[in-house]
Amino acid sequence: QSALTQPASVSGSPGQSITISCTGSSSDVGSYNRVSWYQQHPDKAPKVMIYDVTNRPSGVSNRFSGSKSGNTASLTISGLQAEDEADYYCSSYTSSDTWVFGGGTKLTVL
Amino acid sequence: QVQLVQSGSELKKPGASVKVSCKASGYTFNKYAMNWVRQAPGQGPEWLGWINTNTGNPTYAQGFTGRFVFSLDTSVSTAYLQINSLKAEDTAVYYCARERTPGAAEFDPWGQGTLVTVSS
Repeated sequence: QSALTQPASVSGSPGQSITISCTGSSSDVGSYNRVSWYQQHPDKAPKVMIYDVTNRPSGVSNRFSGSKSGNTASLTISGLQAEDEADYYCSSYTSSDTWVFGGGTKLTVL
Repeated sequence: QVQLVQSGSELKKPGASVKVSCKASGYTFNKYAMNWVRQAPGQGPEWLGWINTNTGNPTYAQGFTGRFVFSLDTSVSTAYLQINSLKAEDTAVYYCARERTPGAAEFDPWGQGTLVTVSS
């Protein structure tokens, strides 16, 4: 199972919005609404920010939102804040009854 | 609160074995599947597989059968990952991660991670 494809880096200024894409295939992202997004700060464990494409766990800011079109899922962060600077990873359930992660996107808040 | 606490960092020589523990607290251990994920330096996470904490049945991702072994001690709410015949490329942070709700596709919480370094 190949890793999902994400841009290596994105950046934005405080208050702006950014979107991170996550491209898979018809065997994963395209076939299931079981895409999650994780935020990881340096030397910390990943934290789930979005699950099932669009849902936010309790306690996650509504500045984080998710969507999907075809084989590509997206994470949008609005009203960028300094503490949003982190690595972001997508993950999807697959037709092989396994999970696959993306390679990660480093978000820089300018 | 729901928490997963892993064992400490390990330094091993190639060919050796290592056993990482993941102690759960704050919930009923056998109600939620436990996953194992590794993250090599500078890389994205890689899913290793999961273990059914009710039956003890493990499922391994492709490429992680044979040397990787998942096990449980339900009496102390602990999951284990053993890696045999260690190779340099096994150097990574290993995480245990619970399914957020039964049957969920997302993982939450995660353990704090265990760094396994394989070097001669």
